[in-house]
Amino acid sequence: AQSVSQHNHHVILSEAASLELGCNYSYGGTVNLFWYVQYPGQHLQLLLKYFSGDPLVKGIKGFEAEFIKSKFSFNLRKPSVQWSDTAEYFCAVNAGGGGNKLTFGTGTQLKVEL
Amino acid sequence: KAGVTQTPRYLIKTRGQQVTLSCSPISGHRSVSWYQQTPGQGLQFLFEYFSETQRNKGNFPGRFSGRQFSNSRSEMNVSTLELGDSALYLCASSSPGSGRLTDTQYFGPGTRLTVL
Repeated sequence: AQSVSQHNHHVILSEAASLELGCNYSYGGTVNLFWYVQYPGQHLQLLLKYFSGDPLVKGIKGFEAEFIKSKFSFNLRKPSVQWSDTAEYFCAVNAGGGGNKLTFGTGTQLKVEL
Repeated sequence: KAGVTQTPRYLIKTRGQQVTLSCSPISGHRSVSWYQQTPGQGLQFLFEYFSETQRNKGNFPGRFSGRQFSNSRSEMNVSTLELGDSALYLCASSSPGSGRLTDTQYFGPGTRLTVL
């Protein structure tokens, strides 16, 4: 069975700092990759996704992620975080088999301080 | 377009009871997936329905079941509730577009179930 690892469970940054959240998955076949964000009191929202093509994908609010197949990684980045980026971030993989069945990482709680 | 809606938003039940949760997908979406979110286990896939048929199933006991109607609305049922079933139950819908079997899932706000 596939699994998804998010290495950082809690991250605290100051505004304007750069962000990189790690995500690794275990599956050798074709994958679809996602980053979702859950702001306090809100539901899960899609940040960005990778299906195929350019491994560097750009999402909403200045976020981007790079798919590195050889490393089974899909790390999330943002050059300069804002206080409003405080949220929980989830990496998710849809791996083979057809249909929509996401395997999620455990999540990273990001706190951005003013 | 309206987003995914889930009813009820909050529910309190006692052990041994059963519960039914409802999900209305985004208009035009035919795939509905259900997930359980708990602090200890995180987000776990329950099952997916597509065109009224269960297409994928997660590793949950048979007490968890679901169905989908011809208008793509979906319900999930949990029978003989246990304390450990307390969780946020999320529904997600997606469109089958572009000939893909998988597509982006859009999540609803969830139903918070508390089992006493």
